[in-house]
Amino acid sequence: SYELTQPPSVSVSPGQTARITCSGHGLPKQYAYWFQQKPGQAPVMVIYKDSERSSGIPGRFSGSSSGTTVTLTISGVQAEDEADYYCQSADSSGTYVFGGGTKLTVL
Amino acid sequence: QVQLVQSGAEVKKPGASVKVSCKASGYTFSSYAIHWVRQAPGQRLEWMGWTNAVNGDARYSQEFQGRVTITRDTSASTSYMELRSLRSEDMAVYYCARQRQDYGMDVWGQGTTVTVSS
Repeated sequence: SYELTQPPSVSVSPGQTARITCSGHGLPKQYAYWFQQKPGQAPVMVIYKDSERSSGIPGRFSGSSSGTTVTLTISGVQAEDEADYYCQSADSSGTYVFGGGTKLTVL
Repeated sequence: QVQLVQSGAEVKKPGASVKVSCKASGYTFSSYAIHWVRQAPGQRLEWMGWTNAVNGDARYSQEFQGRVTITRDTSASTSYMELRSLRSEDMAVYYCARQRQDYGMDVWGQGTTVTVSS
């Protein structure tokens, strides 16, 4: 089955840049999406179609794609950005998949 | 405003079935697909399946094939997810989310907790 691979954790200090990667063999052909999830809350989509920022999401969030890897970048990380982040994509048959999630810790 | 409101928490015995509803408001229900995603305690998001916007046809993850049925009632702007033969590993929060074309799962329900216990 199709899998998306993310690092389990990323740690940064406030004001620094956090980069969270997601790898999958289908990513050159299918869009990737990024979701932020805080404890006890439903996920919130922050990036769609690889690099488009969702409405209401701060400009410090950006997405990029290169080959089989997509990257969520958070520039000037703030304490409120501490959360789990999930990438999501689909395969050519219309089956969707989430990555394993990355816990972002703001030191 | 646009929202998806899910039915309340459920407690079921092993082997039973559960049916969770997701009522949409604030937008044209039939213009969007509806996904169902679950999350066991401390675990990743897990995609279960969806109904497409065009005709409501459903597609399921292989992990749940044969145990899950997702339907929709466009007259009631509501999606339903039924999971059968429940086991302890099915204890999770179940979410619905809408999607239009390639614009992603932009609105999510509040989640429904399903507990499986004898």
